[in-house]
Amino acid sequence: DVKVTQSSRYLVKRTGEKVFLECVQDMDHENMFWYRQDPGLGLRLIYFSYDVKMKEKGDIPEGYSVSREKKERFSLILESASTNQTSMYLCASSRAFYEQYFGPGTRLTVT
Amino acid sequence: ELKVEQNPLFLSMQEGKNYTIYCNYSTTSDRLYWYRQDPGKSLESLFVLLSNGAVKQEGRLMASLDTKARLSTLHITAAVHDLSATYFCAVDHQGGSEKLVFGKGTKLTVNP
Repeated sequence: DVKVTQSSRYLVKRTGEKVFLECVQDMDHENMFWYRQDPGLGLRLIYFSYDVKMKEKGDIPEGYSVSREKKERFSLILESASTNQTSMYLCASSRAFYEQYFGPGTRLTVT
Repeated sequence: ELKVEQNPLFLSMQEGKNYTIYCNYSTTSDRLYWYRQDPGKSLESLFVLLSNGAVKQEGRLMASLDTKARLSTLHITAAVHDLSATYFCAVDHQGGSEKLVFGKGTKLTVNP
């Protein structure tokens, strides 16, 4: 069965902290994605990776960075968290040109 | 720039009724996806539509794609309460890109 897991379901951080969100998939998928989901705005792509150590910016990469050192793991990093980064963060993975499978999400609150 | 518009954004319907959700997109695309999201949960893939005229059905849901009109529809037949969820369509950037652009979602509420 397809599985994408995220390190935390809920996270509360303070402004200025460095935040790591981890995502692991067990399906040997080439592609991994990070989205944020906000009411009224839908899902917006932050970054995606099509191979180990390869990444490409999505639609809203500002304030974020990513790391993919192993095929199964994709990390999203908020270098200095700000209140406007309070959101639901969703990780997804896919085989090339197939549908994306989503993790359960991490609700991040920055105070 | 690829834009994806869904309508309606909110839909309240009675059990047993039929309705259609529309997904329009602005530029040529290779693939269109429909996802479902239950409250507090993640997204679940429903359909993948790959070519003009493609039609897929699962239970009370049927999705179709008209690439010439840049339109996909998700038709609900004889709605039941269990179909209450938010439905998203997503379209890829043409040219083999793996990036998807999502619509804002349609929140469907089916009332007894």
